[in-house]
Amino acid sequence: DAGVTQSPTHLIKTRGQQVTLRCSPKSGHDTVSWYQQALGQGPQFIFQYYEEEERQRGNFPDRFSGHQFPNYSSELNVNALLLGDSALYLCASSLADRLYGYTFGSGTRLTVV
Amino acid sequence: DAKTTQPTSMDCAEGRAANLPCNHSTISGNEYVYWYRQIHSQGPQYIIHGLKNNETNEMASLIITEDRKSSTLILPHATLRDTAVYYCIVRVASNTGKLIFGQGTTLQVKP
Repeated sequence: DAGVTQSPTHLIKTRGQQVTLRCSPKSGHDTVSWYQQALGQGPQFIFQYYEEEERQRGNFPDRFSGHQFPNYSSELNVNALLLGDSALYLCASSLADRLYGYTFGSGTRLTVV
Repeated sequence: DAKTTQPTSMDCAEGRAANLPCNHSTISGNEYVYWYRQIHSQGPQYIIHGLKNNETNEMASLIITEDRKSSTLILPHATLRDTAVYYCIVRVASNTGKLIFGQGTTLQVKP
């Protein structure tokens, strides 16, 4: 049973560029959340998608946007990249009506130079 | 901000029980205690959760004090592969909404 799949695994971008990260949820899951994890810190919640709608958002600027597709996969877009956007970006999936924990992917390591 | 307090780091000998404490003195009646761990270069992994009764699964045991203000995650026979950052999270039981991670406890299992 495939877990959460994220692509790419590593990415290097230049300041000011735009980036798109992708996530395929665990089979059967319908909810996708995105987290940013800076080096040495715990993950920080960016937003969550359910039924192709952004359901909840953390304290991140509008440069961070997302999308969920009918097959439940999701994209995270970041515009006008800053050096401070360098981090591990984690995707987590879950089933909305089940009382168990999230399943996380291994993340995309984004480096902004 | 995270609603939990954990020690920054702990060591444990391989084969011994690892006991990881967590303080959550402001926990509400409808909030559960969740534990996740993050092995280096991987995403967090769900371990266990509980409300007020002690819980056990194939990975660990969770002991919650009667006043629910603190809890302990127990790995009964720690192995080198249990070396990770362990996060204690308090939240309403749901598969929706955000997880608020603190700094966690870095557990180092030593041979």
